[in-house]
Amino acid sequence: AQKITQTQPGMFVQEKEAVTLDCTYDTSDPSYGLFWYKQPSSGEMIFLIYQGSYDQQNATEGRYSLNFQKARKSANLVISASQLGDSAMYFCAMRDFTSNAGKSTFGDGTTLTVKP
Amino acid sequence: DTAVSQTPKYLVTQMGNDKSIKCEQNLGHDTMYWYKQDSKKFLKIMFSYNNKELIINETVPNRFSPKSPDKAHLNLHINSLELGDSAVYFCASSQPGGGSETQYFGPGTRLLVL
Repeated sequence: AQKITQTQPGMFVQEKEAVTLDCTYDTSDPSYGLFWYKQPSSGEMIFLIYQGSYDQQNATEGRYSLNFQKARKSANLVISASQLGDSAMYFCAMRDFTSNAGKSTFGDGTTLTVKP
Repeated sequence: DTAVSQTPKYLVTQMGNDKSIKCEQNLGHDTMYWYKQDSKKFLKIMFSYNNKELIINETVPNRFSPKSPDKAHLNLHINSLELGDSAVYFCASSQPGGGSETQYFGPGTRLLVL
């Protein structure tokens, strides 16, 4: 069974600094994807970044990068140069591609607060 | 253009009533989902349809019945609403195979059962 763990219920970061949000996962499927979503206080779920299990390089999207350590089964999100608008809840999710009928599992989320 | 849309955005109703939430996606995706996010922000999948066929049905009470008239629409009907059904319900869609299968979410429907 797939499982996602986000151990940080809340994080604080100073504006313009970098922050790392932790995510560890567990799966027996060799082919899977890892995703990060942002949920601001307005409530919508915004896709941020994706990492495939066979991708050789860490994914990057603007100020977001995914620190993928396959052997440790971790997929941490790094946000560089934090902005006030980054304050939100962040969810890590994974999806097995060869089992589980495409079911995605979400972590419990980390609430990030950016301080001015 | 809204990629995944849901109606209504807010739904306040009495216990015991029956209500429906509609979802439409214009991304051309084959797969659509319903998720429930409770008051603690935990997000859990309820159903998934691929090309109008049910492929995931998590442990959800029979009072919840999804219907997919075509692959662009996945509606959720809830019978005999209970207090515990109060939550935010998200619809999402993705395209299976050949890539990340990233799910794109609708804006959510905030259901409050009184």
